[in-house]
Amino acid sequence: KAGVTQTPRYLIKTRGQQVTLSCSPISGHRSVSWYQQTPGQGLQFLFEYFSETQRNKGNFPGRFSGRQFSNSRSEMNVSTLELGDSALYLCASSLAAFSYEQYFGPGTRLTVT
Amino acid sequence: KNQVEQSPQSLIILEGKNCTLQCNYTVSPFSNLRWYKQDTGRGPVSLTIMTFSENTKSNGRYTATLDADTKQSSLHITASQLSDSASYICVVSGGEYGNKLVFGAGTILRVKS
Repeated sequence: KAGVTQTPRYLIKTRGQQVTLSCSPISGHRSVSWYQQTPGQGLQFLFEYFSETQRNKGNFPGRFSGRQFSNSRSEMNVSTLELGDSALYLCASSLAAFSYEQYFGPGTRLTVT
Repeated sequence: KNQVEQSPQSLIILEGKNCTLQCNYTVSPFSNLRWYKQDTGRGPVSLTIMTFSENTKSNGRYTATLDADTKQSSLHITASQLSDSASYICVVSGGEYGNKLVFGAGTILRVKS
């Protein structure tokens, strides 16, 4: 069974631009969660989607948004990029919402200059 | 305030030796506690997941313990290998609706030959 895939793997953007990251969960998984990981803050939860609905949200500004499609694939969008948005963005999939077992993708490394 | 604290921050051990990583939490109410291993540049991989009623759980050379009364967990690694060099992250799930995830900052383990 294929694992969680994230595209692109690396991205360089300029301050003020916007970016869209993509995540394809494991086949059959209906929940997708997004996380931001930085050396200073560690792993921080962004949001979780299940059956195209946002079920849970972390403490991030409205510039961070997401959506999930009917095939469970998910996208995360960050608008008006700031230098502090430079991070590894991880996506995790699981069978159900709030499920124990989450499987992480390799992440997208975003650098904002 | 819901918090997860891990110690030590970093650790260097010789190949073949054992080590124990600590995780203390204040998340309440408690749902489950997870230990993840994250290799550099990759997404976290789940090692163990424990609920309130579980005191110990093993996954190969990794053994996690949980004391829900003192709100402490430990991850013991036996006969360490070079491939154990990674960041180990403790994550506690809980909160009013059981959907709050609180991440520890991680312990960076380096195994030397």
